[in-house]
Amino acid sequence: GAGVSQTPSNKVTEKGKYVELRCDPISGHTALYWYRQSLGQGPEFLIYFQGTGAADDSGLPNDRFFAVRPEGSVSTLKIQRTERGDSAVYLCASSPQLGTSVEQFFGPGTRLTVL
Amino acid sequence: AQSVSQHNHHVILSEAASLELGCNYSYGGTVNLFWYVQYPGQHLQLLLKYFSGDPLVKGIKGFEAEFIKSKFSFNLRKPSVQWSDTAEYFCAAPEAGNQFYFGTGTSLTVIP
Repeated sequence: GAGVSQTPSNKVTEKGKYVELRCDPISGHTALYWYRQSLGQGPEFLIYFQGTGAADDSGLPNDRFFAVRPEGSVSTLKIQRTERGDSAVYLCASSPQLGTSVEQFFGPGTRLTVL
Repeated sequence: AQSVSQHNHHVILSEAASLELGCNYSYGGTVNLFWYVQYPGQHLQLLLKYFSGDPLVKGIKGFEAEFIKSKFSFNLRKPSVQWSDTAEYFCAAPEAGNQFYFGTGTSLTVIP
C-alpha cells in the first residue's frame, strides 16, 4: 500500500517568506508526527497529532511554526517569516495509533532551503 | 527530558566484519527503544524495537540489539556486515508523553 507522502520534496524560499509543507499519512493512521532534521543531526521532534488535535506541540521552536490536521488525515506544517536557520529536512511520520511502543512510518521528507 | 546518545558518528568496515553501534538513553521510566535505518536515497525505516520481555531483540536483515537497563544502553549488533548495510543508523527513545527523541545517527560505510 501507499506509504507516507510529503510535498513538495524540495522547497527553496527567501528569508521572511511563508511556507507550507504537506504530509499525507498512511490511510487509517490516527497518529501523525512532524520532525525536523538538520545536517548531521537526528530527527528532532516538533509536534504530534492524535486525530485532529495537536496532542503535543512542545517541540515547535517558536510561534512562527504552526501545524494543522483539520480532518484527521492530511497535515500541514506552516512556517511564517522564514529564517535561514529554518533550513532543514522536515520529516513526517504516521502510526496506526499513539503509543511509545508503536512503530512510526516515515515519509521522504521536504528539504527546505531558506536563502 | 529524554536524551539519546550515539557515540559512533562514522564507522567504516570491510564486508564480513562484525558491527556494534552504541546507543545510550537517559530516561529511566518505562523504556521503549528503537533502531531506525536510512539507506541511501530511502526513507527512515524500522530496524528493530524493544518494549518488554527478552532484552535481546532481533530485527530485520540479521541485526540484533541488547537492552541493558543497568547501563542505559541499547547497542546494535550484526555479526557479519554486507555492502548493502551501508546506511545511516538512528537510535530512538520516547518519553512517557509520546515525544520521540533520536540520537545524532551513525553513518556506516561497508567496503566490499
